[in-house]
Amino acid sequence: QSALTQPASVSGSPGQSITISCTGTSSDVGGYNYVSWYQQHPGKAPKLMIYDVSNRPSGVSNRFSGSKSGNTASLTISGLQAEDEADYYCSSYTSSSTLAVFGGGTKLTVL
Amino acid sequence: EVQLVESGGGLVQPGGSLRLSCAASGFTFSSYWMSWVRQAPGKGLEWVANIKQDGSEKYYVDSVKGRFTISRDNAKNSLYLQMNSLRAEDTAVYYCARGPFWFDPWGQGTLVTVSS
Repeated sequence: QSALTQPASVSGSPGQSITISCTGTSSDVGGYNYVSWYQQHPGKAPKLMIYDVSNRPSGVSNRFSGSKSGNTASLTISGLQAEDEADYYCSSYTSSSTLAVFGGGTKLTVL
Repeated sequence: EVQLVESGGGLVQPGGSLRLSCAASGFTFSSYWMSWVRQAPGKGLEWVANIKQDGSEKYYVDSVKGRFTISRDNAKNSLYLQMNSLRAEDTAVYYCARGPFWFDPWGQGTLVTVSS
């Protein structure tokens, strides 16, 4: 199974907004509203930030938002803070035999 | 507090076997799909397997089909991953997570190292 495609890295200055893309196919991202996003700090377990394309779990800052257009989903972080520096992964339901697939991950650097 | 705690990782030789466990607490375990996700050193996340609430449906990534078996014991609030015929490329931190295709929460992970 092919992983979803994410940029390897993005960067931004404190207070700015950044967007991370996640590109799949009509068999995963484009076909279903089951895209999720995870934040992972070094040495820590991933943390769910967005589910079902645009829903935020309780406790996640409203600076984090998700959207989707066609086969590409996006995570936007507004008002960047130093603590947002981490790796971010997207995931999607897939109609293949496996049910779930991850993106390759994006390293966010806060300058 | 919802919590997942993995155990059972360690060093194993190529071709060997290992059984991972995940103890769940703070929620009704039998009501949720559960999954295993792994992360090789310095690499990204890879979904490995998941299992339906009653164990009647199981799905695997192609690279572990026929070698790994996911199972659960709802009476013990526990999830398992039996790993046979282990290869060097199976070396990773293995996370237990709640959910079929979005995952929350995650355990702290257990490291499996396959090496001679």
